[in-house]
Amino acid sequence: QLQLQESGPGLVKPSETLSLTCTVSGGSLRGSSYYWGWIRQPPGKGLEWIGSIYYTGTTYYNSSLKTRVTISDDTSKNQFSLKLRSVTAADTAIYYCARPSTNYFNALDVWGQGTTVTVSS
Amino acid sequence: EIVLTQSPGTLSLSPGERVTLSCRTSQSVTSTYLAWYQQKPGQAPRLLIYDASSRATGIPDRFSGSGSGTGFTLTISRLEPEDFAVYYCQHYGSSAMYTFGQGTKLQIK
Repeated sequence: QLQLQESGPGLVKPSETLSLTCTVSGGSLRGSSYYWGWIRQPPGKGLEWIGSIYYTGTTYYNSSLKTRVTISDDTSKNQFSLKLRSVTAADTAIYYCARPSTNYFNALDVWGQGTTVTVSS
Repeated sequence: EIVLTQSPGTLSLSPGERVTLSCRTSQSVTSTYLAWYQQKPGQAPRLLIYDASSRATGIPDRFSGSGSGTGFTLTISRLEPEDFAVYYCQHYGSSAMYTFGQGTKLQIK
């Protein structure tokens, strides 16, 4: 059964770079027609899509974040990663990695448990 | 960019009641790419409905979705105690972009 697990620092200083990794288990990052994505949720607020990486390595980003975001993958480790540069307090959120399923017309059917990132000095 | 607006923001209901949640899109969308999620406190969202009206694997049949164009609904036919949560609609669009509604909170009366 496919599982996703986010990891990374829980505290990041303002103006620095937030770096998170999502480890995929029970399946392969490549070799299937999947996207892999990042979504975040500020405290007490709704969900915001950050971006996705296709199995080919092609990336797609939310236009509101694209100047600060990079999503990449490491097939040797079966992981994909998020980097968000120049963070502010507004980037404080729970960050989820997720996988859309072509069986479900790209709805997000597998989610990590989420990792809380606080931006503070 | 498509905007999804959910209503109402909060609903107070009792177990056993029927409820319908609304999701309106700022422009007509393909229902194929309209989904609904349930999120409980401290948990990741869970996919309930995809393709506007198809239940994901393991979702009870008291959950149903419908709609087309710019108006979509999620109906829970008979509320169970575990159904009190926040519900989000979501659209998948061009450039692999995901847009979420702001959520509807279902709370126990």
